[in-house]
Amino acid sequence: AQTVTQSQPEMSVQEAETVTLSCTYDTSESDYYLFWYKQPPSRQMILVIRQEAYKQQNATENRFSVNFQKAAKSFSLKISDSQLGDAAMYFCAYRSLITQGGSEKLVFGKGTKLTVNP
Amino acid sequence: NAGVTQTPKFQVLKTGQSMTLQCAQDMNHNSMYWYRQDPGMGLRLIYYSASEGTTDKGEVPNGYNVSRLNKREFSLRLESAAPSQTSVYFCASSRGSWQAEAFFGQGTRLTVV
Repeated sequence: AQTVTQSQPEMSVQEAETVTLSCTYDTSESDYYLFWYKQPPSRQMILVIRQEAYKQQNATENRFSVNFQKAAKSFSLKISDSQLGDAAMYFCAYRSLITQGGSEKLVFGKGTKLTVNP
Repeated sequence: NAGVTQTPKFQVLKTGQSMTLQCAQDMNHNSMYWYRQDPGMGLRLIYYSASEGTTDKGEVPNGYNVSRLNKREFSLRLESAAPSQTSVYFCASSRGSWQAEAFFGQGTRLTVV
């Protein structure tokens, strides 16, 4: 079964600086998707960025970018110019394809709590 | 734009009571999911449904049942609630293709006393 590991339970960053959140995963599949979700105190799960495993180019969404290392099974999230509104729990997720039933499931890491200091 | 709607948002149950968490999506998605979120544990999959009429167990299905009533609705039932089921429950849906992101409801905070 696929597993996702986020080794940093908590991180902090100064406003306007850059922070990198780590994520590693374990899989035997060659094609899959990876996601970073943000969960602010409101509890809402918000998609931050996604990466297709077959694409070598790292995904970027404004201040958010990833460093995808397929061979190392690593998928880190870099937040540039951190803002107070970036404070949240961040979850790394792996989309696995389940053959029976034709469905797929999203496997989550345990999360990293990011604090942004003014 | 309703997206994924869960009811209720908060609930307190006594041990042994039963209840059903309701979830509906208006995005014509094929796949629907129920997750529970516990501190330090991330989100763990309880059950999922690839399409109307099909359901499958996830990582932590014990103590729960589900019903995919139609394409829009996917309910989660606790037949005899236990304190270990105190958690935040999330319903999610996706198009069903493996590239698709999942959209989440706002969660239900359930406390079993």
